[in-house]
Amino acid sequence: DSGVTQTPKHLITATGQRVTLRCSPRSGDLSVYWYQQSLDQGLQFLIQYYNGEERAKGNILERFSAQQFPDLHSELNLSSLELGDSALYFCASSSTLNTEAFFGQGTRLTVV
Amino acid sequence: QKEVEQDPGPLSVPEGAIVSLNCTYSNSAFQYFMWYRQYSRKGPELLMYTYSSGNKEDGRFTAQVDKSSKYISLFIRDSQPSDSATYLCAIFTGGGNKLTFGTGTQLKVEL
Repeated sequence: DSGVTQTPKHLITATGQRVTLRCSPRSGDLSVYWYQQSLDQGLQFLIQYYNGEERAKGNILERFSAQQFPDLHSELNLSSLELGDSALYFCASSSTLNTEAFFGQGTRLTVV
Repeated sequence: QKEVEQDPGPLSVPEGAIVSLNCTYSNSAFQYFMWYRQYSRKGPELLMYTYSSGNKEDGRFTAQVDKSSKYISLFIRDSQPSDSATYLCAIFTGGGNKLTFGTGTQLKVEL
């Protein structure tokens, strides 16, 4: 168990809908990273937060947004969902910058 | 050119073999390196973290970094069928704000 908790584990929703994925980092970790992994694809970096502030953005669609709250948990919001958004979404946390990053077990999103 | 390159495999070895997994990276400013293991559709599990050139050992795993060649390796000794997974290298870029992954090497250890 990495100590990073993601909910829900599975999510099935229809095209055009909006969902929120939640990530609770390891206790005390300030940095949260979000990744998307499509079937047989690598881990694509979406966005990173550090102590509540957005610090880096990857190939994140405009339909996607995220935030990190004062208690350091983070949420990834996906809207106007398309079939191609079906993927595993992972978050990872690290205590600070450039330190070991630990991953949660992911949320499997299926858009039908 | 991708920031991190990794041979996707698949790599198939017999049980007990020494496995060598490799990545190259493009930016000499990269300083922090990690190796992860990912079983099918599960969360990546951190195996090794290092930030200096040379070798770091942990049990059957050895991580090797050659900054002059921009080349990192993971060696697995006495490989077991339970080591069958995808192995991903990862490097901190952009001042630690972005963790960039290789595409992963799929390893199968056969009885």
